Amino acid sequence: KAGVTQTPRYLIKTRGQQVTLSCSPISGHRSVSWYQQTPGQGLQFLFEYFSETQRNKGNFPGRFSGRQFSNSRSEMNVSTLELGDSALYLCASSDDTIYGYTFGSGTRLTVV
Amino acid sequence: DQQVKQNSPSLSVQEGRISILNCDYTNSMFDYFLWYKKYPAEGPTFLISISSIKDKNEDGRFTVFLNKSAKHLSLHIVPSQPGDSAVYFCAASGSGTYKYIFGTGTRLKVLA
Repeated sequence: KAGVTQTPRYLIKTRGQQVTLSCSPISGHRSVSWYQQTPGQGLQFLFEYFSETQRNKGNFPGRFSGRQFSNSRSEMNVSTLELGDSALYLCASSDDTIYGYTFGSGTRLTVV
Repeated sequence: DQQVKQNSPSLSVQEGRISILNCDYTNSMFDYFLWYKKYPAEGPTFLISISSIKDKNEDGRFTVFLNKSAKHLSLHIVPSQPGDSAVYFCAASGSGTYKYIFGTGTRLKVLA
């Protein structure tokens, strides 16, 4: 079955702009989580959606938001981009068991 | 507050020898732990997991040990191979939260 698909793979944005990233989970998975990876900070949890509802949230400012659609696809939005938002953004889907996530390949965001 | 810590950012090991990657956690409510491996430009992939009811889980060349009293887990790779060169993340979850907290990762380099 198809894996987790994230689009786009690469993005370059200017400070102050906003950006939307997309994630299509594995078919049948209703949980989608978003992580930010930066050097030295590991994988920082942003939020998790389950059946269109945000179920868990990390400690990121309100500029970071997300949503999930009825087909479980999820989008993440970052408004008023800052240089420090440059990172690899990873999406992971789960069948809501304890057996962890399947990750997508990520979207590399560069803010200039 | 980093609830899951990987204190060694990098590790180099000779091919054929044992690689030991360590992970410490602070939250005693964590009861399920996973290791992920990440190659550049790819999302992390699941490697091995362990439940808090066990102290060891083995899968081929990979073994994870859990010491609950010390709140410490380790991943052993024997024998190490050049293809094991990657960043390894440990992750922890408390029962029912479906939210995994990741460590900062350890970059393993296996030298041929």
